[in-house]
Order: sequence, then C-alpha cells, then structure tokens
Amino acid sequence: GAVVSQHPSRVICKSGTSVKIECRSLDFQATTMFWYRQFPKQSLMLMATSNEGSKATYEQGVEKDKFLINHASLTLSTLTVTSAHPEDSSFYICSAGDRGVGYEQYFGPGTRLTVT
Amino acid sequence: QKEVEQDPGPLSVPEGAIVSLNCTYSNSAFQYFMWYRQYSRKGPELLMYTYSSGNKEDGRFTAQVDKSSKYISLFIRDSQPSDSATYLCAMSRTNTGFQKLVFGTGTRLLVSP
Repeated sequence: GAVVSQHPSRVICKSGTSVKIECRSLDFQATTMFWYRQFPKQSLMLMATSNEGSKATYEQGVEKDKFLINHASLTLSTLTVTSAHPEDSSFYICSAGDRGVGYEQYFGPGTRLTVT
Repeated sequence: QKEVEQDPGPLSVPEGAIVSLNCTYSNSAFQYFMWYRQYSRKGPELLMYTYSSGNKEDGRFTAQVDKSSKYISLFIRDSQPSDSATYLCAMSRTNTGFQKLVFGTGTRLLVSP
C-alpha cells in the first residue's frame, strides 16, 4: 500500500521558535496533501489542504501566517509552525493522495510537537 | 453541537467478543462514511469505506450505515488483543475529488486476552 512518512516523529522546542515538519509520500506522487491537528481525546481537525505547486487552502480559524505550508513537489509537503507557543503543542498528522488512482487519503504516522 | 459524535470509551472486552462501535451525525449531507483504526502515536489507517445506507463486510469487520437515523456502526467479530486501538469514524459530503473528512473523537477499544 501507499506509504506516507513524517519527520520528525517528535520535537520539543522553546516558545517563540519555529519548527518545520515534513510529510513525504514514499511510493506514489501526492497531488494533494492535508494537514491535521489532533489534541488529546479530540478529533482530527483539518488545518489546510495543499495542492502541488499552488497555495494551500486553510480552514476557518487557522492562521495561515502562523502555519506555513509548502507543497513544492509531488512527494513533499512541509508545515512550519512559526513563533510557536505552548498552546500549539499537539499531534500533527498529514495525509496524502494521488488523484490519478482514486481519492483515498493515506495518513502519515504523525509528529508530536511540544512547545516549552 | 458537533457534526459527528462518538463515545470516547474506553470500551473493554474479552478476546473473542463481538464489538460494536458507533457514531451519530447531524448533517444529512454526509454521503460517504469511513472507519479508521489508530494505534497509539500513529496515524490513522483506513479500515472500511461505505457509501450511503447499507452494510459492507470485510473479514471480521462489518460497517453499517443507517442514513435515516444518521447512525453508523462498525462491528468486529472474534475480537483479538491486536484490535486494541482507537477507532475513528469519518464522513464526507462527496467523493468528487479529495474529500474533506470530518472525524469523530474516536473510541478507544481494549481487548484483553
């Protein structure tokens, strides 16, 4: 099956710094990638949708200047949390799909961000 | 009111039991229904995908959708300790293009040997 990786799996950073999370499709070309955030005991909440080569579409209430998304190639999307604060601490999960073979989303293993 | 409601559990059952997991939803526009399994600190894995009302079976798993009641279920037969995970329901309004998924909070299932 399609494999999606994320790096790093876990990151701790100080308040005010920026953190970059990578999402890669390993064995398929991902025309679309999604970024989700999951707080403990809560649903996955969609943050943004990114299509290769175009600007990301952010969900209502998600600050696009704080959560920078770049989808520069068909196998890589990055999420940068700028000027991180403790309330940004969460589990960030990406998913990826290839419209050429259907519309199923394949999820990455997630990145645990802790802001101290 | 949340669009999708799901009991967080935990639900504890002995090995071999039949497990019933459920979600209710409020938006009648949802047409496509999915169940994901998520192990601790891992991303969700798609288990079942169904369209509209009816049943779908895949091995030990059966997904059931009742659109008139806005209620979906996942049944697991002959449950195994390896089934211990969080089960998330998800749904979408369309299958045209990539779907914007709305997830439930997930139900944590514990299957004891």
